[in-house]
Amino acid sequence: GAGVSQSPRYKVAKRGQDVALRCDPISGHVSLFWYQQALGQGPEFLTYFQNEAQLDKSGLPSDRFFAERPEGSVSTLKIQRTQQEDSAVYLCASSLMGQGPTEAFFGQGTRLTVV
Amino acid sequence: GNSVTQMEGPVTLSEEAFLTINCTYTATGYPSLFWYVQYPGEGLQLLLKATKADDKGSNKGFEATYRKETTSFHLEKGSVQVSDSAVYFCALTPGGGGNKLTFGTGTQLKVEL
Repeated sequence: GAGVSQSPRYKVAKRGQDVALRCDPISGHVSLFWYQQALGQGPEFLTYFQNEAQLDKSGLPSDRFFAERPEGSVSTLKIQRTQQEDSAVYLCASSLMGQGPTEAFFGQGTRLTVV
Repeated sequence: GNSVTQMEGPVTLSEEAFLTINCTYTATGYPSLFWYVQYPGEGLQLLLKATKADDKGSNKGFEATYRKETTSFHLEKGSVQVSDSAVYFCALTPGGGGNKLTFGTGTQLKVEL
């Protein structure tokens, strides 16, 4: 596809359940970002990959959150033992590498509801 | 740390009215500034950007000027349409080439006939 694809679009998880959210970036995009968007708020940075290397994970809220991009393309965000406060839309974005700021292309997000 | 503050919504306007959505930022160095738009049911899309002081970003009739002296990047449009109804996010990336975005909380715009 031409854009960033995320799946599933919606996920309902029972508290304590593990979830895995998938992001398929635009082909050839070296940079990949995950953001968390709570209801009524702006997206907040979670983590950043350059190819398969996770260069920044400073935004991950706890050690229950884990992200990987093993082959430098598809990425998975995993949340273990989900809690109600994890309910949010999880956004993935990808971009080219460049000398200056490059446009980030966002997926439609995965809406996670923890019940 | 870096932060972005934008006016709270919702902002409700009649078609053809003038739009201003205020955005101010706090950052060290020389950040790049962005406006993203989220139409109903769609993902975030880049609307416009400015990478240095006094630059003006423009797209689809929207404009914003990077004002370092007031640390502002207000979004304006001279005549809004119903199709402009969306949530608008002001954002920045830090100076020095990083691409991690810091967003404001978003401003919902509703344009009525």
